[in-house]
Amino acid sequence: EDQVTQSPEALRLQEGESSSLNCSYTVSGLRGLFWYRQDPGKGPEFLFTLYSAGEEKEKERLKATLTKKESFLHITAPKPEDSATYLCAVRPSGNTPLVFGKGTRLSVIA
Amino acid sequence: NAGVTQTPKFQVLKTGQSMTLQCAQDMNHEYMSWYRQDPGMGLRLIHYSVGAGITDQGEVPNGYNVSRSTTEDFPLRLLSAAPSQTSVYFCASSSNEGTGGGYTFGSGTRLTVV
Repeated sequence: EDQVTQSPEALRLQEGESSSLNCSYTVSGLRGLFWYRQDPGKGPEFLFTLYSAGEEKEKERLKATLTKKESFLHITAPKPEDSATYLCAVRPSGNTPLVFGKGTRLSVIA
Repeated sequence: NAGVTQTPKFQVLKTGQSMTLQCAQDMNHEYMSWYRQDPGMGLRLIHYSVGAGITDQGEVPNGYNVSRSTTEDFPLRLLSAAPSQTSVYFCASSSNEGTGGGYTFGSGTRLTVV
């Protein structure tokens, strides 16, 4: 069964305090791993797609990395506006849509 | 470019009532999906479609129907609403899955069944 587990469930950081979010997955034939950001009351917003182990993507203070079993979302020197829920999802083989983890709720305190 | 448009944004139903959640996209995306999001449960797939005239069930399809008569529209029907269907519903669309474009989500419909 395709499965995504994110940790921690919630993370509280001081502004400027770097950290990482984890996404562990088991999937039949990974066709892509996705990171999304979700603000309260809104739909998820696409951040990154990673396809193969060793791949990295960056956007402002965020960097996503991928291994064969997990992905990390590194947040460098976060600001309060980075506060959101971050979702990880995998795309299995075939036409099956994305399978999501439960998310990590990030709070960055000024 | 509107992206993915969901209506209504909020809805209150009585148990046993039926209704249709609307979803429309203007990006000519082949793939469309419906998810529900509940506290502590994450996003769970209800139904999806890989193109007009083709639909399939996801993880939690019971109590819901879908159809895809056009590329643009993918309505979700609640046949007889139950309190367990109280949730936030998101519609999403994507271009060819093989090229790996991220899903574009609508802003959601918050449904309460009393």
